Amino acid sequence: EVQLVESGGAWVQPGMSLRLSCEASQFTFNDYAMHWVRQRPGKGLEWVSGISWNSGTEGYADSVRGRFTISRDNAKRSLHLQMNSLRPEDTALYFCAVDVKTRYLDWFGFSGMAVWGQGTMVTVSS
Amino acid sequence: SYDLTQPPSVAVSPGQAARITCSGDGLSRRLVYWYQQKPGQAPVMVIYDDNIRPSRIPERFSGSSSGTTATLTINGARVEDEGDYYCFFTDKSTNQGVFGTGTRVTVL
Repeated sequence: EVQLVESGGAWVQPGMSLRLSCEASQFTFNDYAMHWVRQRPGKGLEWVSGISWNSGTEGYADSVRGRFTISRDNAKRSLHLQMNSLRPEDTALYFCAVDVKTRYLDWFGFSGMAVWGQGTMVTVSS
Repeated sequence: SYDLTQPPSVAVSPGQAARITCSGDGLSRRLVYWYQQKPGQAPVMVIYDDNIRPSRIPERFSGSSSGTTATLTINGARVEDEGDYYCFFTDKSTNQGVFGTGTRVTVL
């Protein structure tokens, strides 16, 4: 069974940086694109970023572009989200998720989220 | 970027059909995904590629899409189907994902 475990969430002050990680197991990590999705307290889901299987394609929500950077290490089966210039509105539970399709069905990008981790909480407050 | 609109809530009696719509210009010619989220839990994918149900999802869940509207139907809804439901698609031209506004389904 696919397992995704997020870490790195913390309480930080506005303007600070944080790096989230997601460790993947029980599937062929380098065959799949990956996503980060967040959920502000009491609110709906918001797609944050996605990365293709080979890091050739990255995508960002308008709300985080220029501040957040997604990356992956296929050798270590890990996904990361570098978050800079954090704002109070970035306070949320951050989920990582594996894409529905293998690279053979979606070579250049990403599609939808098949399986999700349990999330890691980020709080941005002074 | 696109907006996807869903009704805030849908209420049905047990055994009835619950239909959740997702509307937006961006849906035209794009594949839609549906997610169920129960309180305190991570979302679960219930439909992908408009109308394909993952093997672990009960047959009462089905999806359809036409033009700029996608629909998730729960035939014979059960109390355990209560939760929040979200539609989603990826805009391949911008490499951005978009979630719908979410619908709370109540079965009572």
